[in-house]
Amino acid sequence: DVKVTQSSRYLVKRTGEKVFLECVQDMDHENMFWYRQDPGLGLRLIYFSYDVKMKEKGDIPEGYSVSREKKERFSLILESASTNQTSMYLCASSTGAANTEAFFGQGTRLTVV
Amino acid sequence: AQSVTQLDSQVPVFEEAPVELRCNYSSSVSVYLFWYVQYPNQGLQLLLKYLSGSTLVKGINGFEAEFNKSQTSFHLRKPSVHISDTAEYFCAVVRGGSEKLVFGKGTKLTVNP
Repeated sequence: DVKVTQSSRYLVKRTGEKVFLECVQDMDHENMFWYRQDPGLGLRLIYFSYDVKMKEKGDIPEGYSVSREKKERFSLILESASTNQTSMYLCASSTGAANTEAFFGQGTRLTVV
Repeated sequence: AQSVTQLDSQVPVFEEAPVELRCNYSSSVSVYLFWYVQYPNQGLQLLLKYLSGSTLVKGINGFEAEFNKSQTSFHLRKPSVHISDTAEYFCAVVRGGSEKLVFGKGTKLTVNP
């Protein structure tokens, strides 16, 4: 069974902290994605990686960075967490072909206080 | 840039009634189109996808969607809904030549008894 695993379901952090959200996939997929999900705004792409150490900005990259040192792991980094980054974060992966299904993790609900 | 518009943020229906969830996309090039479903407190899973060929696509759980190139639409339909179809539904697009998966804002379907 295919699997995308996000390290935490719920996370509470303080304003100004550096926050790491981890995502691991076991399908040997080339592509990995980080989305942010907010009510009424749907899923917005933060960053996309199409290979190890390769990344592209999505629609809302400000305040975030990513790291992909190994194919199976894609980390989202909040350099200095702010309250407006309180949200649900979803990781996904897919093969290197554009016409294939993306598989999603269960999500991490991050609260910044 | 491509975008996806889901025309209804909320759709309430009664059990066993038909339903249509509307999706329009903007792109001047070929696209791949997807519908995903998110049940409460879960990640997203693929309902169906359009890649090429027949414009009527059948998916899981009795859902189907029709690709209309002239109207740039990809509406999702089910002839008779169940309570268990209550969920949020997302239309998504990948533009040909890219691998970025872009989502609409979602439609919350509520099926009432």
